[in-house]
Amino acid sequence: KNEVEQSPQNLTAQEGEFITINCSYSVGISALHWLQQHPGGGIVSLFMLSSGKKKHGRLIATINIQEKHSSLHITASHPRDSAVYICAVRLRGGNQFYFGTGTSLTVIP
Amino acid sequence: NAGVMQNPRHLVRRRGQEARLRCSPMKGHSHVYWYRQLPEEGLKFMVYLQKENIIDESGMPKERFSAEFPKEGPSILRIQQVVRGDSAAYFCASSPLTDTDTQYFGPGTRLTVL
Repeated sequence: KNEVEQSPQNLTAQEGEFITINCSYSVGISALHWLQQHPGGGIVSLFMLSSGKKKHGRLIATINIQEKHSSLHITASHPRDSAVYICAVRLRGGNQFYFGTGTSLTVIP
Repeated sequence: NAGVMQNPRHLVRRRGQEARLRCSPMKGHSHVYWYRQLPEEGLKFMVYLQKENIIDESGMPKERFSAEFPKEGPSILRIQQVVRGDSAAYFCASSPLTDTDTQYFGPGTRLTVL
């Protein structure tokens, strides 16, 4: 069983829609990251969370430590948001990060 | 402040050759992580290094793979006698000493083994 589970695996939305991507993890963590990866491209860290909620532009990330769950929301989605979104966690007291398999988002004009 | 640099961006090798992948962390960062992303799979941790020290190599294959982060110069991920299954994107990330939960990723090196 993967330590990090993401849903959905694939998501297609119309431009302007509100999007939610979910991440659940099974272990105690010290940090959770949301990453963005464009096709054939590099990886950008969008958020790092250890508690609560963060907002950057149209992106909002929340985390519930007790429920071991995080969500990434995109408001007023745009075709340029099309990418793979990856959840990554660092185990408490550990060195390495564990990654979800990613959510492939396509936003149609 | 330049970000994490990786080179080459693309590398083609024939089976049995050696591949050397380089990662220059962000200025002031003393921690480097290497990850591998196989085709159609998620990122997997390989190794975590500080300057002149391997902290955690639990994700490294037991044979043919090695990593170093010398006192001067970039971190090197070395793959000896490459096989087709080594074809993947290899990403490096760096962190400052004071905040190892934060990771800055490089653009990756895409290795193709013919």
